[in-house]
Amino acid sequence: GQQVMQIPQYQHVQEGEDFTTYCNSSTTLSNIQWYKQRPGGHPVFLIQLVKSGEVKKQKRLTFQFGEAKKNSSLHITATQTTDVGTYFCAAISYNTNAGKSTFGDGTTLTVKP
Amino acid sequence: DTEVTQTPKHLVMGMTNKKSLKCEQHMGHRAMYWYKQKAKKPPELMFVYSYEKLSINESVPSRFSPECPNSSLLNLHLHALQPEDSALYLCASSQGTVSSYNEQFFGPGTRLTVL
Repeated sequence: GQQVMQIPQYQHVQEGEDFTTYCNSSTTLSNIQWYKQRPGGHPVFLIQLVKSGEVKKQKRLTFQFGEAKKNSSLHITATQTTDVGTYFCAAISYNTNAGKSTFGDGTTLTVKP
Repeated sequence: DTEVTQTPKHLVMGMTNKKSLKCEQHMGHRAMYWYKQKAKKPPELMFVYSYEKLSINESVPSRFSPECPNSSLLNLHLHALQPEDSALYLCASSQGTVSSYNEQFFGPGTRLTVL
């Protein structure tokens, strides 16, 4: 079955430092979604990437989809304490049942003020 | 209304009990999902309903029984659970399926403890 690897598992940064999480799939993806889950909360949708090589920005967050549509990244510039949480990629494969997304293991970000 | 609601927020049950989790959305979404999430783990898909029909069952044990009474409601009936079933149960909905490029809206979850 589809495997989705996400690294690193944990990242501790000083406020103001940058942060990047990477998501890699064993199969070519149709699209990929990114979610953020705050401690004690539920996943909240951030962005969706569909096209090969796509780059999208949301303020300090930059999302990229690889040319081969098998990997993606989320980069946060100048982290703030409000960025704390776990960031998940959710991969949707061409080969999977319609309606199924596979979540990566997530990267938990802690920010020291 | 752009939220998914879930009840109860917390549930403690014994292994011989029967209980139900409820999920509701009024966004007109036609796909609804049940996920199980253990601490420090990603959400794990259990079931997908598309247009009120069960479209995906991820080989979930029969002690979990989903039901979709109408397009706004999703239930998860629980019977004879095991302690290892203790987890956060998340409901989600989307306009169409994720394969049609639809984002998922998650509810706050039900924290289930099986004694």
